Amino acid sequence: DQQVKQNSPSLSVQEGRISILNCDYTNSMFDYFLWYKKYPAEGPTFLISISSIKDKNEDGRFTVFLNKSAKHLSLHIVPSQPGDSAVYFCAAGGTSYGKLTFGQGTILTVHP
Amino acid sequence: DGGITQSPKYLFRKEGQNVTLSCEQNLNHDAMYWYRQDPGQGLRLIYYSQIVNDFQKGDIAEGYSVSREKKESFPLTVTSAQKNPTAFYLCASSRPENLNTEAFFGQGTRLTVV
Repeated sequence: DQQVKQNSPSLSVQEGRISILNCDYTNSMFDYFLWYKKYPAEGPTFLISISSIKDKNEDGRFTVFLNKSAKHLSLHIVPSQPGDSAVYFCAAGGTSYGKLTFGQGTILTVHP
Repeated sequence: DGGITQSPKYLFRKEGQNVTLSCEQNLNHDAMYWYRQDPGQGLRLIYYSQIVNDFQKGDIAEGYSVSREKKESFPLTVTSAQKNPTAFYLCASSRPENLNTEAFFGQGTRLTVV
């Protein structure tokens, strides 16, 4: 049972344009959400998070949007840069869980 | 420098052998986790520990064992009962009292069964 899903295995974007990565979840007990970036053969690094009391959080070029009624979150990267090329994982956690559940990941490729 | 150290980076195991992956952190985090990454399947939770001397099974605990005798250390043993052990293993730690904090990951160990 995949509680966190990233339905797009890959995304290709031109440098300078917007990248939009999507994530859906099924468990309504999740109350905080995170995005991680991962390069090959390395551990994921934290990018940005959002709690369920908000619907938007911004950090520089990165913005995460949360739609609780649709159980959907998205990560916007504007403008996209070649260095953003990596695998992006969304993750979800809940007050009663004490652990993070990850999606399958989306490979982002930003072309110069 | 604070961080999480996983060793070794690459590990080869013969079928039928147990192997232990090391994970050490000096971030003073109470919670530690082990994840496994396979192509197209994201990160799947094997075991996690919220406090010393206590740990919980994750989603794919069969064939694995852990211990948490010290706050800084959370070793993972891949036993011969694990049918498909070849994967990339990631250890992480976090502060469970701050629910919006991120988990910090190590650099991973790639285990290959030969």
